[in-house]
Amino acid sequence: EAGVAQSPRYKIIEKRQSVAFWCNPISGHATLYWYQQILGQGPKLLIQFQNNGVVDDSQLPKDRFSAERLKGVDSTLKIQPAKLEDSAVYLCASSPFLTGDNEKLFFGSGTQLSVL
Amino acid sequence: DAKTTQPNSMESNEEEPVHLPCNHSTISGTDYIHWYRQLPSQGPEYVIHGLTSNVNNRMASLAIAEDRKSSTLILHRATLRDAAVYYCILRDVFFEYNQGGKLIFGQGTELSVKP
Repeated sequence: EAGVAQSPRYKIIEKRQSVAFWCNPISGHATLYWYQQILGQGPKLLIQFQNNGVVDDSQLPKDRFSAERLKGVDSTLKIQPAKLEDSAVYLCASSPFLTGDNEKLFFGSGTQLSVL
Repeated sequence: DAKTTQPNSMESNEEEPVHLPCNHSTISGTDYIHWYRQLPSQGPEYVIHGLTSNVNNRMASLAIAEDRKSSTLILHRATLRDAAVYYCILRDVFFEYNQGGKLIFGQGTELSVKP
C-alpha cells in the first residue's frame, strides 16, 4: 500500500516570498491533516479536512496560510508571504473514517521549509 | 484537550527492555491513550493505543494503570532502530467518530539506544 506522499522534500525561500506544499493521502482516506513541526517541538495541527470540508482550522494563521482539498483527495498548503518563523517541517497525515483503522493517522515524510 | 506528561529524554541499552512512562491525571472516560514515535527525518508513526486494558502488538506493549491516570509503553528488546521521539497522546473517542479525530502532540520523550 502506498503511503502519504508529499512534495517537495525541501524548500528554501526568502522572507516575503510565497510557497506551496502538496500532499497526496492514502487512497480512500477521508480525513487529511496538515501539521507544522518547528525544530525541537512536537507537531502542531494547522488544519483538518473531512473529505473536502474543513473540520478544524483554529490554529491556522489565516492572514498568511491557506489550504484546500479539492475533490476530497489531494491537498495543498500555501504560505503567502512567508516569515522567518515559518521555518519548519510541514507534515501531512491521512486517516480513514469509520473503519477499523480509523484510530490511526498515517504521516508523510514532510516538507522541510527554510525561510531566509 | 487533556494533557500528558512525559520525561524529556531516556536512555536504554540495546537488547534490553525499555519502559516509557506517561502521566495523564486529567484523562476522561472517553479518552483513548495513543502512542506514536518519530524517527529522525521522518513523520510520526503509529505504535499502539488502548482504552482500559493492556494491549500488545508486534511493535510494543501498552500497560495502563487501573485508574487510567498513567500508562507505560514497553519495548521488549530495544534496538538501535528504536531510537526516536515517543509521543503519548490522549484522543477523545466520541469526537473521533463524529468528525474524524485529531492528535494533539506534546514534547514527547527522546529515546536514545546505546550499543
